[in-house]
Amino acid sequence: SQTIHQWPATLVQPVGSPLSLECTVEGTSNPNLYWYRQAAGRGLQLLFYSVGIGQISSEVPQNLSASRPQDRQFILSSKKLLLSDSGFYLCAWIRQAGNTEAFFGQGTRLTVV
Amino acid sequence: SQQGEEDPQALSIQEGENATMNCSYKTSINNLQWYRQNSGRGLVHLILIRSNEREKHSGRLRVTLDTSKKSSSLLITASRAADTASYFCATASYSGNTPLVFGKGTRLSVIA
Repeated sequence: SQTIHQWPATLVQPVGSPLSLECTVEGTSNPNLYWYRQAAGRGLQLLFYSVGIGQISSEVPQNLSASRPQDRQFILSSKKLLLSDSGFYLCAWIRQAGNTEAFFGQGTRLTVV
Repeated sequence: SQQGEEDPQALSIQEGENATMNCSYKTSINNLQWYRQNSGRGLVHLILIRSNEREKHSGRLRVTLDTSKKSSSLLITASRAADTASYFCATASYSGNTPLVFGKGTRLSVIA
């Protein structure tokens, strides 16, 4: 069966520090991978998505970047965090070109202080 | 950008009552999906309805889709306190690799 792992669950980081959130998928190959951010009580904002190794599409200009070094690994990074980067970050995968449901990780609550 | 817009933003009902949430979208879609999110957790897929379908059932869930009005509704019958969560609609375009676009969600509170 397929599973998705996202860590850490919570993170408190000072302004200006770097960030690395990791997401891995098991039990499937060549998935489409996504990073979403959710502000408190709000909907999901798509940040990045990837349809293959090394292929990253960015939806909004921001202080963040994403990388996909392996087929089932998706990393969200920042060199210097801003207060506005605080939020709930969710990783998700979809069977490529399947137009089927998305499977989400449990999320990372990031607080920048 | 967000395509789906859920209505209402928040809904509070008594246990046993039915809960209806609506979603409107703007562009042509391949399918529309509903997800549930418990507080502080990831989203869980509930049901998917394709553009050529008008109604779909899954347990206590009933989803309708009206492509002419670009709208969908999610009905939860005989609600339970455990149904308390946020519910999101998401739309998928005809291009398989285009990301799902989520609405802002409806926060449902079921009071025991």
